[in-house]
Amino acid sequence: SQKIEQNSEALNIQEGKTATLTCNYTNYSPAYLQWYRQDPGRGPVFLLLIRENEKEKRKERLKVTFDTTLKQSLFHITASQPADSATYLCALEYNFNKFYFGSGTKLNVKP
Amino acid sequence: DADVTQTPRNRITKTGKRIMLECSQTKGHDRMYWYRQDPGLGLRLIYYSFDVKDINKGEISDGYSVSRQAQAKFSLSLESAIPNQTALYFCATMGTRGPNTGELFFGEGSRLTVL
Repeated sequence: SQKIEQNSEALNIQEGKTATLTCNYTNYSPAYLQWYRQDPGRGPVFLLLIRENEKEKRKERLKVTFDTTLKQSLFHITASQPADSATYLCALEYNFNKFYFGSGTKLNVKP
Repeated sequence: DADVTQTPRNRITKTGKRIMLECSQTKGHDRMYWYRQDPGLGLRLIYYSFDVKDINKGEISDGYSVSRQAQAKFSLSLESAIPNQTALYFCATMGTRGPNTGELFFGEGSRLTVL
């Protein structure tokens, strides 16, 4: 079965630095991969989608890379702010519009 | 109003009781999903529906059933709740046309506690 790994340990960084979160997967080649933000007690909110034929996608301070050879996606937040503190989930699409989710990495941005 | 609305938001019940969690959406999406979230396990797919007449089991469907009453409504039932079904449940929708194709839109969640 599919396995998605995200660092379960919280990532603590200083405001203004770049946060980099990792998502590794096995046993499947997804057509696309997504990143979501989840705040405590709230539903996940979509951030970015990257397709298998795309190396990199950007949206404002966010950047996602997708390496299908390494089976890895990296999610970057540049010039991080305390408001970026949240849990970030990666999800990969499999078998036509079904999605596996990682357990998420909690990001803490300290002022 | 939220695009994806879940009711109830919180529910405490006892083992053996029947529970229904409801989801309605105003986005006009054809695809709807039910996930549960447990600490350290991420979101796991329970059931999904691509159309009113199309219902499919996900990874962890045992002990659950669903009903797609209309394009906008997708309900999840626990026929006889047990304590290990204590979790945070999310409904999600996805459209297949337009600029947001491929994005999941989630409700705010239904926290269920089974004693």
